[in-house]
Amino acid sequence: SQQGEEDPQALSIQEGENATMNCSYKTSINNLQWYRQNSGRGLVHLILIRSNEREKHSGRLRVTLDTSKKSSSLLITASRAADTASYFCATVTNTGNQFYFGTGTSLTVIP
Amino acid sequence: DAGITQSPRYKITETGRQVTLMCHQTWSHSYMFWYRQDLGHGLRLIYYSAAADITDKGEVPDGYVVSRSKTENFPLTLESATRSQTSVYFCALSGGSGTGELFFGEGSRLTVL
Repeated sequence: SQQGEEDPQALSIQEGENATMNCSYKTSINNLQWYRQNSGRGLVHLILIRSNEREKHSGRLRVTLDTSKKSSSLLITASRAADTASYFCATVTNTGNQFYFGTGTSLTVIP
Repeated sequence: DAGITQSPRYKITETGRQVTLMCHQTWSHSYMFWYRQDLGHGLRLIYYSAAADITDKGEVPDGYVVSRSKTENFPLTLESATRSQTSVYFCALSGGSGTGELFFGEGSRLTVL
């Protein structure tokens, strides 16, 4: 399988704390993306980081990418109850326009 | 404007029956994808299409058929449904070169009895 792996599988934190989730992948990539999925809904794009970038910010989100280790991390700062969702990383290959998703991290933010 | 619409949202069928899940977009994005989501497996790509009349297999294409005669529609057909095809199916779109952001539909939950 070319899927990535998210770690941890589940994460529970208090509101206001930071949440960090990690993604490891296997192949060379064009870019890596993070998505959020609320229960029973479709996935929503959060942020994209290209293979030649090391860090990217968007609001309370910070993404890092280490292509030598084939890994990425997503940091959500000052978490809110509304951040409760599953988070997925997706790697995009250089050929074939295929997106490979990880198995996801389930984040619960306790008010 | 929903942009991307999947139908039906819920479907129960029996083993051996043919089922078609429809994906319709009101935008003009070139790339369309079908994924299935199962616990423990995340999302797995079934088929994708770069343009009308151009389709290609993903990770798990067996038992599925797709077509794309029009840019806006990308139906997924299970020719003879099996219990292992019970899943939530998501259609997604991507514009440009197809390596950017994916836009997802709300999903079609299929149960095969």
